[in-house]
Amino acid sequence: DAGVIQSPRHEVTEMGQEVTLRCKPISGHNSLFWYRQTMMRGLELLIYFNNNVPIDDSGMPEDRFSAKMPNASFSTLKIQPSEPRDSAVYFCASSSTSGYSYEQYFGPGTRLTVT
Amino acid sequence: KNEVEQSPQNLTAQEGEFITINCSYSVGISALHWLQQHPGGGIVSLFMLSSGKKKHGRLIATINIQEKHSSLHITASHPRDSAVYICAVPYSGGGADGLTFGKGTHLIIQP
Repeated sequence: DAGVIQSPRHEVTEMGQEVTLRCKPISGHNSLFWYRQTMMRGLELLIYFNNNVPIDDSGMPEDRFSAKMPNASFSTLKIQPSEPRDSAVYFCASSSTSGYSYEQYFGPGTRLTVT
Repeated sequence: KNEVEQSPQNLTAQEGEFITINCSYSVGISALHWLQQHPGGGIVSLFMLSSGKKKHGRLIATINIQEKHSSLHITASHPRDSAVYICAVPYSGGGADGLTFGKGTHLIIQP
């Protein structure tokens, strides 16, 4: 299994630009999570989906952030417009709720720098 | 919403020492996660446990559900164990929830 795949691995963009981060969960997993990691705040939950439906987006910082999961094998996190304070590592994780396992598998992360 | 406290924040030890990292949380949970992150690296799940004790090689994780407390132990520590160890729990307690995280323990094992 390829594990959780995220792209791009690194993104450098200028303030005001739109940024789209992508995630492919492990095949067969039905839950997908977006997390953000910064030095100041550590790891934070942004949003998560179950069976492609957003369950809780209360961690999304503001309206500039949006996430979609159009099908079971793909999700996007979009920031528009981007700001320097959005610089962070964004992790996607997936898990399966069948069998009540709930172990989460993390992707390698996307390191975002907004200048 | 669950809150997670981890201690110590930083720990430096000599190779071979027995290491203990502690984690406490505020809301009852279905399971607790221990994660490992090497500098500049990804996040790896070490354990997910809901009761008692689990062991993988030199790593041991225990949990006391009544006291809302977990510990991660490393026996015969080695420099390759140097990493950040993070405790995480479902943010509202349910197994399928997103996670809320402790601030992590930065562990350095010196040869």
